[in-house]
Amino acid sequence: SYVLTQPPSVSVAPGKTATVTCGGGDIEGKGVHWYQQRPGQAPILVIYYDTDRPSGIPARFSGSNSGNTATLTISRVEAGDEADYYCQVWDSRGAHPVFGGGTKLTVL
Amino acid sequence: QVQLVESGGGLVKPGGSLRLSCAASGFTFSDYYMTWIRQAPGKGLEWVSSIGSSGSPIYYADSVKGRFTISRDNSKNLVYLQMNSLGVGDTGVYFCARALEAWEFWGQGTRVSVSS
Repeated sequence: SYVLTQPPSVSVAPGKTATVTCGGGDIEGKGVHWYQQRPGQAPILVIYYDTDRPSGIPARFSGSNSGNTATLTISRVEAGDEADYYCQVWDSRGAHPVFGGGTKLTVL
Repeated sequence: QVQLVESGGGLVKPGGSLRLSCAASGFTFSDYYMTWIRQAPGKGLEWVSSIGSSGSPIYYADSVKGRFTISRDNSKNLVYLQMNSLGVGDTGVYFCARALEAWEFWGQGTRVSVSS
């Protein structure tokens, strides 16, 4: 089964830039989706197919995907961005979606 | 607007069964895959099962294959998850979501607790 690896935690000061990585073999060949989940709430899709933002998601959220690592970048971080972030791809070999383990973003 | 509302969760003993429902509104239900995703307490997201717009294809996670059955009723805009032989590892919040992946719309979740 395809494995996605995320750092358990990332910390960033308000106003700075946060980067959350998602590692997987040749992930560049897959479309990566990113979700934000605040405590007690359903996840929110913030980036889909590597770089696209759903309507209503601020332009501060951006994504990239190259080689074996996809990256979610949050610019000008705000206190409200503190949440868990999950990456997700479609595992074509297993014919099912796969999530990364999640990264807790702490705003200092 | 798109709404997904789960129901049917609760407390059940190991080995028991539950049927979850997800009521959809605000979109043409029969045009979309539907998916169940769960989250154990304090843990990450885990995909459970997906069903095609007309009832096929159907996909299951290995952890639930043979125990869970996903189905849908397009006349009622409902998707179901029949869960049998439940174990403590099935405890968590179960979300339904629209689409096969890149889930833009989620329900609020229904809580399933498996305990003796």
